[in-house]
Amino acid sequence: AQRVTQPEKLLSVFKGAPVELKCNYSYSGSPELFWYVQYSRQRLQLLLRHISRESIKGFTADLNKGETSFHLKKPFAQEEDSAMYYCALASGSARQLTFGSGTQLTVLP
Amino acid sequence: EAGVVQSPRYKIIEKKQPVAFWCNPISGHNTLYWYLQNLGQGPELLIRYENEEAVDDSQLPKDRFSAERLKGVDSTLKIQPAELGDSAVYLCASSLVGFSSYNEQFFGPGTRLTVL
Repeated sequence: AQRVTQPEKLLSVFKGAPVELKCNYSYSGSPELFWYVQYSRQRLQLLLRHISRESIKGFTADLNKGETSFHLKKPFAQEEDSAMYYCALASGSARQLTFGSGTQLTVLP
Repeated sequence: EAGVVQSPRYKIIEKKQPVAFWCNPISGHNTLYWYLQNLGQGPELLIRYENEEAVDDSQLPKDRFSAERLKGVDSTLKIQPAELGDSAVYLCASSLVGFSSYNEQFFGPGTRLTVL
């Protein structure tokens, strides 16, 4: 069975500092991974997907199949990045999503 | 575009009472999902619809939970009777056909249920 692990429940960094949110997965098939974000009082929304290999709001994430990781990184955190971040794995023919338990990021002024 | 609409946004009931949640997906999205999100956890899929058909309900506790999507558009999720452990956020999401790497799921705001 597939599993997504986000080891940090809470993460605080200062504005301008680099940030890395960790995500590890276990899945026997070819993984398709995503980061979803939920800002305060807003709905859950897609931030980025590994297949696109794009940078969104300065965030990037690289799939490392050897380490089964998909860590989210940003070189210079901004206060508006404060939010709940969920890593998710799509699996099966229907690409069903399995979510991690989330990391609450707080960027301090 | 209002996005995925859910109602009510909040619901407080006493245990053993019934409760129902309603979801209206994005126009044209034929795939609809209901998720359960417990405090401090990520969303967990309860049921997935392709049009009117429930194609994956393996995680739905069928002794007390039921769902329907009669005309392939709106959907209702019901709990009867509710238990204390059902207190959670119930999320609805929709997407185009299935969910490929290009068919993003769009989430509603959720219904926060509190069972007393």
